[in-house]
Amino acid sequence: AQSVTQLDSHVSVSEGTPVLLRCNYSSSYSPSLFWYVQHPNKGLQLLLKYTSAATLVKGINGFEAEFKKSETSFHLTKPSAHMSDAAEYFCVVSSFSNDYKLSFGAGTTVTVRA
Amino acid sequence: DTGVSQNPRHKITKRGQNVTFRCDPISEHNRLYWYRQTLGQGPEFLTYFQNEAQLEKSRLLSDRFSAERPKGSFSTLEIQRTEQGDSAMYLCASRQDRDVLGYTFGSGTRLTVV
Repeated sequence: AQSVTQLDSHVSVSEGTPVLLRCNYSSSYSPSLFWYVQHPNKGLQLLLKYTSAATLVKGINGFEAEFKKSETSFHLTKPSAHMSDAAEYFCVVSSFSNDYKLSFGAGTTVTVRA
Repeated sequence: DTGVSQNPRHKITKRGQNVTFRCDPISEHNRLYWYRQTLGQGPEFLTYFQNEAQLEKSRLLSDRFSAERPKGSFSTLEIQRTEQGDSAMYLCASRQDRDVLGYTFGSGTRLTVV
């Protein structure tokens, strides 16, 4: 079985301040983990993915995430938020045990204040 | 390569009517997935195909839902006797067998049942 829990349903930050989106995962086998972003009325866009290579993963638009097995976490961060970062973010898990189907978290809505 | 294409983009239907959505995956992708996303939630797995074979149907998929991929290329998702609870975004994704993490998502079909 595999699942993810996104610990915050909504995060509000000021432009130029750091962003932290928290995700915990559960997986019976070695997981692959992803972060996707969805802007209003747009499709899902892949930000980054972890595949058991480096534990610190860099993605697009200045985002990065760190895989911590001991904490079963895969938190997403960005040093400085931009207005264009306002969107819905999804943490996703996949593994061999589930034929690599994707299991999504409930999402975190990010609001950026000017 | 034009990505994953879904049609229509929007569909408004009356309760009790049947609707059909189409997904055209990336041409060399032999795996095709359907997800459903309701307001404020992450996408939920519905069903998936390897070529023309339907490998799994989620328990979320009632008997009113049927999906096909007759020639291993495009896929259709039909909902019979629609209910208001079927209102959601229906997402299609595809990938190659050997690229277990290389998912590409379409922009989705938004269904509104009135």
